Amino acid sequence: QSGLTQPPSASGSPGQSVTISCTGTSRDVGGYDYVSWYQQHPGKAPKFLIYEVSKRPSGVSDRFSGTKSGNTASLTVSGLQAEDEADYYCSSYGGSNNLVFGGGTKLTVL
Amino acid sequence: EVRLVESGGGLVQPGGSLRLSCAASEDSTVRLSSFESFEMHWVRQAPGKGLEWLAYISPTGSRTHYADSVQGRFTISRDNAKSALYLQINSLRAEDTAIYYCAKERLHFELQEWGQGTLVTVSS
Repeated sequence: QSGLTQPPSASGSPGQSVTISCTGTSRDVGGYDYVSWYQQHPGKAPKFLIYEVSKRPSGVSDRFSGTKSGNTASLTVSGLQAEDEADYYCSSYGGSNNLVFGGGTKLTVL
Repeated sequence: EVRLVESGGGLVQPGGSLRLSCAASEDSTVRLSSFESFEMHWVRQAPGKGLEWLAYISPTGSRTHYADSVQGRFTISRDNAKSALYLQINSLRAEDTAIYYCAKERLHFELQEWGQGTLVTVSS
């Protein structure tokens, strides 16, 4: 199973919005609404950010939102804050009882 | 909130074996009574690299699934009486050097809770 494709980097100024894409295939992202997003700060474990494409776990800021169109999912971070600077990973159920991750996107707050 | 704590990492020579453990607890409770209902996973992250899913185990341990890249060398298991998850890694290679995380699934392979990870270094 190949990994999902994410841009290696993204950036935005405080207060702006930035969108990170996650492209897969019809066998994973396009085939299931089980796309998740994770935030990882340096030296820390990943944090569950979005599930089922667009749902937020309790406690996650509503500045984070997710969407999906065809084989591409997207994470939008609105009202950028310094604390949002981190690595972001998407994942998707890949069918056949496996999970596939994106390569990660480093978000820089300018 | 579930707390997951991995252990068992360290420096291992190529060709060696290692068993990683993941202890689950909640607040100050040593044994988590609901652990037996959790679907659990192992994920790793090589230095400076992205996340790689490794393995899944069902609540009773009757079903396991592995990434193609580790099938046959890695074995996931659990002891519900001890609220513990394990990962046996055999025939270690340099490319197995990584932080290994255990994670609790919410549903549909969505990883809701993560441990802090344990570092495995494979080197002679």
